[in-house]
Amino acid sequence: DTAVSQTPKYLVTQMGNDKSIKCEQNLGHDTMYWYKQDSKKFLKIMFSYNNKELIINETVPNRFSPKSPDKAHLNLHINSLELGDSAVYFCASSQDGLGRTEAFFGQGTRLTVV
Amino acid sequence: AQSVAQPEDQVNVAEGNPLTVKCTYSVSGNPYLFWYVQYPNRGLQFLLKYITGDNLVKGSYGFEAEFNKSQTSFHLKKPSALVSDSALYFCAVRDPQFTGGGNKLTFGTGTQLKVEL
Repeated sequence: DTAVSQTPKYLVTQMGNDKSIKCEQNLGHDTMYWYKQDSKKFLKIMFSYNNKELIINETVPNRFSPKSPDKAHLNLHINSLELGDSAVYFCASSQDGLGRTEAFFGQGTRLTVV
Repeated sequence: AQSVAQPEDQVNVAEGNPLTVKCTYSVSGNPYLFWYVQYPNRGLQFLLKYITGDNLVKGSYGFEAEFNKSQTSFHLKKPSALVSDSALYFCAVRDPQFTGGGNKLTFGTGTQLKVEL
């Protein structure tokens, strides 16, 4: 029974397209995140939601828009995709939003923009 | 601002030998520290954490880490390495005094561990 699941696992698309990545957690956690891992494996937080409320919004282009319909789901929509958006995007969740509990990560979505 | 450094891009060790993966941090207060492991084409898996208390923390798969406040370090260790330990290891820090952004973890650049027979 997968704890944090994201779909799709692979996404290949052309520049200029709009795409979405979905994430669901069945752990009952209050906080969810989106991280981006670049080609050098560097991980950086993009967004965080706590009980459907946006609490972290890093310096991310406006083309990226997270949406949390409920606390078990956090989706990522990307408009007008660019080559530089190619990366692996990880969804994660944790019990609290204060940093004391570990995050559980999904398996990642490898986005390739051509 | 919080930051974490992993000075080694890669660590090579023979199976059965002890391993150490280094991590140093910089925060304004007492840190929350984490180690995660990433296997190829997989998400990150939690190994262990230091929040407070005993400086020696034991985690999954026989790993442990020691919090050293004076040296601002949190090195990951294992007494006897296995080939299956080969993976990418990330150290992460959270400054509990940073209240403006929820659970904002800052990750190191990762250390590739290679355990050979």
